[in-house]
Amino acid sequence: GNSVTQMEGPVTLSEEAFLTINCTYTATGYPSLFWYVQYPGEGLQLLLKATKADDKGSNKGFEATYRKETTSFHLEKGSVQVSDSAVYFCALITGGFKTIFGAGTRLFVKA
Amino acid sequence: DTAVSQTPKYLVTQMGNDKSIKCEQNLGHDTMYWYKQDSKKFLKIMFSYNNKELIINETVPNRFSPKSPDKAHLNLHINSLELGDSAVYFCASSQGRPGGDTQYFGPGTRLTVL
Repeated sequence: GNSVTQMEGPVTLSEEAFLTINCTYTATGYPSLFWYVQYPGEGLQLLLKATKADDKGSNKGFEATYRKETTSFHLEKGSVQVSDSAVYFCALITGGFKTIFGAGTRLFVKA
Repeated sequence: DTAVSQTPKYLVTQMGNDKSIKCEQNLGHDTMYWYKQDSKKFLKIMFSYNNKELIINETVPNRFSPKSPDKAHLNLHINSLELGDSAVYFCASSQGRPGGDTQYFGPGTRLTVL
């Protein structure tokens, strides 16, 4: 079946450090891939997405590239800020009726 | 303007009570969802409606009953509340067919059952 696997958190970084949060997926067909972010006390919001292989999604300094050969969609940011502290969810959509979410990765950024 | 709104934001109640959570979206979307998020942040789909028609009904106890009076509203009624129902419940909406596009989430309703 379709699934999303994310690296376990929490991830703790100092401000201005480089961030990578790994995400791999299993899916039939050609899924669209998403990263959502959940700030404390809020609902999830779309961070970025990619709809086909080799596409790069980017937003707010975050980037992720759709790698079909490795079935991955790793999230990266060159220099994190305290305000990036949140829970990050990788997700996919295939031809079914559900968005498949990963388990979430909590990020703490220290000043 | 809030795109997806939920009320109430917090709900504290006793075991055995019946409660409702309301959700409204002003995005003109065709599909709405209810999710349950546990204390470890794991997100589980409960229901999905497309144009007021139930599309997804996951293995949720039948104490949970969604109701969609129109495509802009999806309410969640819970009977005979149990301790294990304590969680944050999120409403979401998307355009087009269920699960087919970016989802827009409400701010959540934190339910605490005592």
